[in-house]
Amino acid sequence: SQQGEEDPQALSIQEGENATMNCSYKTSINNLQWYRQNSGRGLVHLILIRSNEREKHSGRLRVTLDTSKKSSSLLITASRAADTASYFCATSEGAQKLVFGQGTRLTINP
Amino acid sequence: GAGVSQSPSNKVTEKGKDVELRCDPISGHTALYWYRQSLGQGLEFLIYFQGNSAPDKSGLPSDRFSAERTGGSVSTLTIQRTQQEDSAVYLCASLTGHSTDTQYFGPGTRLTVL
Repeated sequence: SQQGEEDPQALSIQEGENATMNCSYKTSINNLQWYRQNSGRGLVHLILIRSNEREKHSGRLRVTLDTSKKSSSLLITASRAADTASYFCATSEGAQKLVFGQGTRLTINP
Repeated sequence: GAGVSQSPSNKVTEKGKDVELRCDPISGHTALYWYRQSLGQGLEFLIYFQGNSAPDKSGLPSDRFSAERTGGSVSTLTIQRTQQEDSAVYLCASLTGHSTDTQYFGPGTRLTVL
């Protein structure tokens, strides 16, 4: 069954602007991860935030987690054309089984 | 070291044929996952191997799908009597099985059933 649900499904912004994507989930989690996928092939891990963390940074990425609202957000600052991709959140249940959302398609316009 | 590799990268087959998809995980990774991704969709969990434990097959969509992992390393996903709805990208991921929860994905196999 689907766990993470990303919002919006698609986002188009100008280069240099910030992009924010949201993810909601339904059950208790061990951690939440964000992945990027280019051209519909392999996924690249971006960042992991554990259930006892509220915010995490990695370069131009900022992830927040609100376990009371069962939601997370991914912020990409100062976007670049190379950031164009699909972004997925995934939640970890039990034995590290990841459940993925449908993804947000991000387009950065030059 | 090398990442997760999958073969073939693309496979076109006729409806009713059997196909085998291969995944070579990162050396030393004890856990291995198979996912399926239909066009424009998220990832659908298929099966999970962890060490010598019995695999979690809860995501396999039908009995036409099976997977094995030989020697705790290479895995093969087999789809028998393929149907057009089996067309998708099949992704494999591995992880250490320890406290690092990051999954490392292969490039995927794009399966097209005509």
